[in-house]
Amino acid sequence: NAGVMQNPRHLVRRRGQEARLRCSPMKGHSHVYWYRQLPEEGLKFMVYLQKENIIDESGMPKERFSAEFPKEGPSILRIQQVVRGDSAAYFCASSLDRGNSPLHFGNGTRLTVT
Amino acid sequence: GEDVEQSLFLSVREGDSSVINCTYTDSSSTYLYWYKQEPGAGLQLLTYIFSNMDMKQDQRLTVLLNKKDKHLSLRIADTQTGDSAIYFCAEILNSGYSTLTFGKGTMLLVSP
Repeated sequence: NAGVMQNPRHLVRRRGQEARLRCSPMKGHSHVYWYRQLPEEGLKFMVYLQKENIIDESGMPKERFSAEFPKEGPSILRIQQVVRGDSAAYFCASSLDRGNSPLHFGNGTRLTVT
Repeated sequence: GEDVEQSLFLSVREGDSSVINCTYTDSSSTYLYWYKQEPGAGLQLLTYIFSNMDMKQDQRLTVLLNKKDKHLSLRIADTQTGDSAIYFCAEILNSGYSTLTFGKGTMLLVSP
């Protein structure tokens, strides 16, 4: 009865490198959400995906950030050419359906850009 | 606006009750949630309340909802040191899907 699995737990990248964050939703969940938590801040919504579709990416920066949730495999949040300001904890959540079902969160990936 | 407001810090003694308050903005929010985050961990869903309810009790947790004032509170009875964590209030915007808007969190510190 695994929960939401995120890896890696910690990721260190130099400025200009690419960061790839992976998320496997809870079993039976086909809705995935990515949130970012900056130090001493709450969580900010980035993107909502269903299998093979981006439903809402209104919280995602227009440049350098992309997300996908392929038919097979985990959801990927990709950050190209990382900058120091990208250092944060990135949390993935999944839900059972599109409506008001609760979000279940993973333990996050802590990205540090040096 | 879409801000969810919470007090930043609460300190209580073990065995006392803790009350964490939250105000939200979207009067059409259908569900309101409380999450708990321990250091270095993800968010654990504690409880949630549907907007047509005034109160929900779940063991040591009591959630009160005042829709008129858009005020939500979480009461933890017999607070334990293991309850020390950051507590986040979150609302679903009326977007038709489960996108949550979070407050900045209340850090609860329980001393022995």
